[in-house]
Amino acid sequence: GDSVTQKQGQVTLSEDDFLFINCTYSTTTYPTLFWYVQYPGQGPQLLLKVTTANNKGISRGFEATYDKGTTSFHLQKASVQESDSAVYFCALVDLSNTDKVVFGTGTRLQVSP
Amino acid sequence: EAAVTQSPRNKVAVTGGKVTLSCNQTNNHNNMYWYRQDTGHGLRLIHYSYGAGSTEKGDIPDGYKASRPSQENFSLILELATPSQTSVYFCASGDWGESAETLYFGSGTRLTVL
Repeated sequence: GDSVTQKQGQVTLSEDDFLFINCTYSTTTYPTLFWYVQYPGQGPQLLLKVTTANNKGISRGFEATYDKGTTSFHLQKASVQESDSAVYFCALVDLSNTDKVVFGTGTRLQVSP
Repeated sequence: EAAVTQSPRNKVAVTGGKVTLSCNQTNNHNNMYWYRQDTGHGLRLIHYSYGAGSTEKGDIPDGYKASRPSQENFSLILELATPSQTSVYFCASGDWGESAETLYFGSGTRLTVL
């Protein structure tokens, strides 16, 4: 079945550092890919989305590129702020199969001032 | 603004008891989902629904039932709760057409089974 892998459980950075969160996926077709962000006490919310029609998503200074060759969808930000501290989830939906949305295990980002 | 409301926000139950978690959405979305969130496992799909009267098994359905009596409401039912079902549960709604291609989540229900 479809799956998403996030190997980094936690990332600790200082303000203005570069952020890179790794995400790889496995599916039989070309899914729509998402990054969600979750702040304490809240449900996840969409950060950015990429479909097969557009290879890159950009939102709030974050960007992710859909690489079909390496089946990766890494999240990057040039300069993080303390307010970016949150849990980040990579996710996919394969609309050619079902409407199931599969999430990775999440990466907790802690940014110190 | 899409709205998904879960109740209760917190619940303590006893082993063997019946627990019902409720979810209401005012977005008129066809699809609704139930996930549980546990440290080290992320968000895991329990059940989902394509519309009123429909329920589908997700990746971890054992020990859970779901009910979708209307477009707006989607319940998760634990007939015989066990301590392993202690978790935070999230409901979400969404459609995959042109208008709303994302999931909107509620604020979660923290369930503790003693």
